[in-house]
Amino acid sequence: GAVVSQHPSRVICKSGTSVKIECRSLDFQATTMFWYRQFPKKSLMLMATSNEGSKATYEQGVEKDKFLINHASLTLSTLTVTSAHPEDSSFYICSARVGQTNTEAFFGQGTRLTVV
Amino acid sequence: GNSVTQMEGPVTLSEEAFLTINCTYTATGYPSLFWYVQYPGEGLQLLLKATKADDKGSNKGFEATYRKETTSFHLEKGSVQVSDSAVYFCAPHTNAGKSTFGDGTTLTVKP
Repeated sequence: GAVVSQHPSRVICKSGTSVKIECRSLDFQATTMFWYRQFPKKSLMLMATSNEGSKATYEQGVEKDKFLINHASLTLSTLTVTSAHPEDSSFYICSARVGQTNTEAFFGQGTRLTVV
Repeated sequence: GNSVTQMEGPVTLSEEAFLTINCTYTATGYPSLFWYVQYPGEGLQLLLKATKADDKGSNKGFEATYRKETTSFHLEKGSVQVSDSAVYFCAPHTNAGKSTFGDGTTLTVKP
């Protein structure tokens, strides 16, 4: 089946630094990937849609300059949290859509970010 | 856009009890419907799905039927186990693969 790998699974960084999270589709090409954020004991909120070779589409209220998304290849999308602050601490999960018309998307394992 | 209303938790059951977690949705068009499970400290795993009206998704003893007339996709299991303790999310997908998640229902199964 389709496998999505996310790295790192956990990261702790100092306030003011930047952190990059990778999302890879291991056995399929993903023209579209999605980034979600999950607050403690809360649901997942879509942050942005990442399209290979073009700019990401951000959801309302998500800061583009804060959460930089790059989808440089058909198997890799990255989310960079810039100038991280403690309030950015969260669980970030990516998903990748299989094919152009398939509605199913496969999820990565998630990344637990803690900003201290 | 899509929205999901999911049964509030937490839900606590004894082992071998019957489980129902209600889910209703609003969506434009005909979304595919998914249930995901999240075990403590882990990411999301697909539990089951249904892509059209009256389809029944099933996996690991869990079932859910796509009810277009009531826009529902209730999750059921006849006999839960301790290992089923997790958070369950109902999520319709648009034809673009974008997911809208319910608030999640925490299930705790006691021996």
